[in-house]
Amino acid sequence: DIVMTQSPDSLAVSLGERATINCKSSQSVLYSSSNKNYLAWYQQKPGQPPKLLIYWASTRGFGVPDRFSGSGSGTDFTLTISSLQAEDVAVYYCQQYYSTPYTFGQGTKLEIK
Amino acid sequence: QLQLQESGPGLVKPSETLSLTCTVSSGSISGSSYYWGWIRQPPGKGLEWIGSIYYSGSTYYNPSLKSRVIISVDTSKNQFSLKLNSVTAADAAVYYCARHPLHSSSWPLYFDLWGRGTLVTVSS
Repeated sequence: DIVMTQSPDSLAVSLGERATINCKSSQSVLYSSSNKNYLAWYQQKPGQPPKLLIYWASTRGFGVPDRFSGSGSGTDFTLTISSLQAEDVAVYYCQQYYSTPYTFGQGTKLEIK
Repeated sequence: QLQLQESGPGLVKPSETLSLTCTVSSGSISGSSYYWGWIRQPPGKGLEWIGSIYYSGSTYYNPSLKSRVIISVDTSKNQFSLKLNSVTAADAAVYYCARHPLHSSSWPLYFDLWGRGTLVTVSS
């Protein structure tokens, strides 16, 4: 199984400031023939299902604000929120879909400082 | 807009079988572009993929659960279902159904649409 490890486990950021969450996979999720990273990011607010934010490591999902961006390749990835808004308080998960079993990171809880 | 809705008993006794159904509305489960999956989340914990199915019945399962899981599809009802047998307290969780688009190579990708989830408690 590919193990996904996120850091930090929790993060407190001031409104309007940048938030950065990291995700590391135990093996590469870059499919060389297509040069695509099989990595997604989700946002989960309390009492709600996860919402797709980013796929292919850097492509924003439908309707996702452009303050959310994804980067990285191979085994190391980053989710960045450029200017934190109050509605961004949530738990964020990375997920690999390179191979089964699909696996998620343990989650990063983002709060307002 | 397509929606997914989980349904089934909220309480299951230990050693019995958990059975859930996901109903797809405002769209067809028979479309060739998607797999349909189950993911669970124990209270206060992270996400675990259980398995996924294509409308044709082709499946992928998480090896950690494969011996206890059956996922099936009923295209006439626009539903897919999850059965997990021999449940224990460790199977208590919110169970989500979700859709994942297919890559051109027919590989299921990320989960782009989720149901609201249903809480299953395991207790006698």
